[in-house]
Amino acid sequence: KAGVTQTPRYLIKTRGQQVTLSCSPISGHRSVSWYQQTPGQGLQFLFEYFSETQRNKGNFPGRFSGRQFSNSRSEMNVSTLELGDSALYLCASSLERGGYEQYFGPGTRLTVT
Amino acid sequence: KQEVTQIPAALSVPEGENLVLNCSFTDSAIYNLQWFRQDPGKGLTSLLLIQSSQREQTSGRLNASLDKSSGRSTLYIAASQPGDSATYLCAVIGVGSNDYKLSFGAGTTVTVRA
Repeated sequence: KAGVTQTPRYLIKTRGQQVTLSCSPISGHRSVSWYQQTPGQGLQFLFEYFSETQRNKGNFPGRFSGRQFSNSRSEMNVSTLELGDSALYLCASSLERGGYEQYFGPGTRLTVT
Repeated sequence: KQEVTQIPAALSVPEGENLVLNCSFTDSAIYNLQWFRQDPGKGLTSLLLIQSSQREQTSGRLNASLDKSSGRSTLYIAASQPGDSATYLCAVIGVGSNDYKLSFGAGTTVTVRA
């Protein structure tokens, strides 16, 4: 089975711009979560999607949003980019909600200048 | 709020030595605990998943134990190799709040010297 894929892998944007990141979960997986990883804050939960609905959201401003499509693929969007949004954005998928093993993609490295 | 701590933050050992990585969590009401490996600039690779009802899980040279009541897990890597050099992260999913997010520790960076 193919793993979790994320596109693009690298992105450079300017402050004030917006960006969309994409995540394709493992085939058959219905739950997709997003995490932000920075050297200072470590791994922080952004949001979780299941059945095209956001089920949980972390402590991030409203500039961070996402959605999930009927095929379980997910996108996250960051509007009005700030320098502090520079990070590795990781997507994880699991079979269902709950205590299932989570599998991570390679991440998208976002640099905001 | 679940707090996950990993000690030590960094570890350097000669090849062949066994590795012992520690993880502690403050809230023992968990669904499971998962150990990951992360190479620099890369995503996370799942190593082992221990369900809350299990005491340990093994995969090859890796063995992870879980003591839910004391809020501790230990990852053992036998006969370390230079290829084991990476950052190891533990994460837990809590129960009770319908909140299935992973709460991560800061990780232990391991260097295995040839």
